[in-house]
Amino acid sequence: EVQLVESGGGLVQPGRSLRLSCAASGFTFDDYAMHWVRQAPGKGLEWVSGISWNSGSIGYADSVKGRFTISRDNAKNSLYLQMNSLRAEDTALYYCAKGPDYGGNSAEYFQHWGQGTLVTVSS
Amino acid sequence: AIRMTQSPSSFSASTGDRVTITCRASQGISSYLAWYQQKPGKAPKLLIYAASTLQSGVPSRFSGSGSGTDFTLTISCLQSEDFATYYCQQYYSYPPLTFGGGTKVEIK
Repeated sequence: EVQLVESGGGLVQPGRSLRLSCAASGFTFDDYAMHWVRQAPGKGLEWVSGISWNSGSIGYADSVKGRFTISRDNAKNSLYLQMNSLRAEDTALYYCAKGPDYGGNSAEYFQHWGQGTLVTVSS
Repeated sequence: AIRMTQSPSSFSASTGDRVTITCRASQGISSYLAWYQQKPGKAPKLLIYAASTLQSGVPSRFSGSGSGTDFTLTISCLQSEDFATYYCQQYYSYPPLTFGGGTKVEIK
């Protein structure tokens, strides 16, 4: 069974940094692209960033480009999101998400989701 | 970026109703469209991919159609557990991947 468990969220002041982690299990992690998707309180879904299986292809939403960095450690079956220069508008539940079980590239839909980790940016 | 527009943003319906949600892409996306259901406090759940392919385990009362720019999600006979928010997502163009704004289906 695929499991994605996010951690690292919390309350942080504007301008500070935070690093999110996603621990993956139940599948061959280094065979798949991985993504971060966020949801501000009471709002819709927003794709944040994606990374290919070998970290060779990385993409970001314009809203986070230059501030957030996605990475992965295939030896640890883990996905990360380094968030710098945080703003109030980054307040959201951050989901780790995986594409379809048959594999594919980073342009994909999300078959598996974690339960999310909440990031609150406030002074 | 491809913009995804859902309509309506919310509506009320009764158990047993046939309901349709529309999703429009700002440019053609072939059939690279997915639909999700999200209940309060829960992660989204994949319902349909490739515009019309039902994800394994999803009840057959859910169906999807469309290609190019216009898509629909239909629930043939609304059940109590279907009251939720629904999102479409295009995966034709990356980055970014983009979602519609959501459609909340409420109990009448």
